Amino acid sequence: SQKIEQNSEALNIQEGKTATLTCNYTNYSPAYLQWYRQDPGRGPVFLLLIRENEKEKRKERLKVTFDTTLKQSLFHITASQPADSATYLCALDINNAGNMLTFGGGTRLMVKP
Amino acid sequence: DARVTQTPRHKVTEMGQEVTMRCQPILGHNTVFWYRQTMMQGLELLAYFRNRAPLDDSGMPKDRFSAEMPDATLATLKIQPSEPRDSAVYFCASGLGLGVYNQPQHFGDGTRLSIL
Repeated sequence: SQKIEQNSEALNIQEGKTATLTCNYTNYSPAYLQWYRQDPGRGPVFLLLIRENEKEKRKERLKVTFDTTLKQSLFHITASQPADSATYLCALDINNAGNMLTFGGGTRLMVKP
Repeated sequence: DARVTQTPRHKVTEMGQEVTMRCQPILGHNTVFWYRQTMMQGLELLAYFRNRAPLDDSGMPKDRFSAEMPDATLATLKIQPSEPRDSAVYFCASGLGLGVYNQPQHFGDGTRLSIL
């Protein structure tokens, strides 16, 4: 069974709206969680890291929340643009062994003009 | 902008042939990772090096795969003999390992491998 779950269905939204992507995990207590963006034919690119003692982190139009009780992270893109269209991956160190990431399956976001 | 460089970008070869993929990590990074990405399995960790020493290769089929770091500027992933099920995109990533709260990983653009 998948250890880290992201919605495998594509998320289609209209330009200007807020996109919200979900990352759920079970049976782990990660010290931190990371979000990456992947464009077709390219490697993942790091976006944000949030630690277990942080509830929320922001970077420009991006916001990440981390609820260790619910075992869930939400990734928000406000005022979305067509250029935000990509696959977004969450990743966490399930063993807290130091830097060994396990990735979710990713959610593809399509922002329509 | 420092980047992780992977070669070749594409490789098509016949079953049974040896395949070698190369990676140049970002200068100064002390951790190197090899991942495999497929539609079915997503992104899977194959091997992990810290300061050139292999720390974990539990995700790698040992009978045909091998990963090495001959020096700090080169990491290699070899498959011998290759099989059609090895067809995937192989990514190398590097980062700064500083303990539990580690720095992000920087990925190359991958080697797209097709085994016929």
